[in-house]
Amino acid sequence: EIVLTQSPATLSLSPGERATLSCRASQSVSSYLAWYQQKPGQAPRLLIYDASNRATGIPARFSGSGSGTDFTLVISSLEPEDFAVYYCQQRSNWPLTFGPGTKVDVK
Amino acid sequence: QVQLVQSGSELKKPGASVKVSCKASGYTFTNYAMTWVRQAPGQGLEWMGWINTNTGNPTYAQGFTGRFVFSLDTSVSTAYLQISSLKAEDTAVYYCARGHPGIAGKYSFDYWGQGTLVTVSS
Repeated sequence: EIVLTQSPATLSLSPGERATLSCRASQSVSSYLAWYQQKPGQAPRLLIYDASNRATGIPARFSGSGSGTDFTLVISSLEPEDFAVYYCQQRSNWPLTFGPGTKVDVK
Repeated sequence: QVQLVQSGSELKKPGASVKVSCKASGYTFTNYAMTWVRQAPGQGLEWMGWINTNTGNPTYAQGFTGRFVFSLDTSVSTAYLQISSLKAEDTAVYYCARGHPGIAGKYSFDYWGQGTLVTVSS
């Protein structure tokens, strides 16, 4: 099973600041990595698929990069609605796995 | 627009069964796989497996074999998750999610249901 590790666990930032979230895989997942945003009481929302492709309707302030084992999600300038938990997910190998999440909260 | 609408919250006693539905609209149901994801209270996301909406063939992740059954009714564009012999540790929110086009069974998930809370308590 591919284990995904996310860092930091919590990121405390102010609106307008840049957020950089990391996801590391225990073995190569090529570019088969996605990022999701989840707010309390809501379902996850797909932000990025295949490492760097924004999903439909996702603002340009969200960008993804990386390949192999190291991936990054950047939110260029935090909006109030961006404070949430972010998960990465790999679809390279079964079982599909998620990382434990990074919580982005208000400083 | 694509929508996945799940059935409402359930409160069940240990040993009972539950069936969660996920009704799809806004797209051709059989063109996309459906997957199920569990989220225990205060925890992360766990992939349970997926079902091929063309053939009805389910694939279960380890830990979700035996008591968990995925099924379909394509005539009403609905997927189902049935859990039998419920245990307290099955208490969770269960999500259906559509497979974003990709290699069969290896998906990211582009649309999600709103989630169904299943509570197992005596």
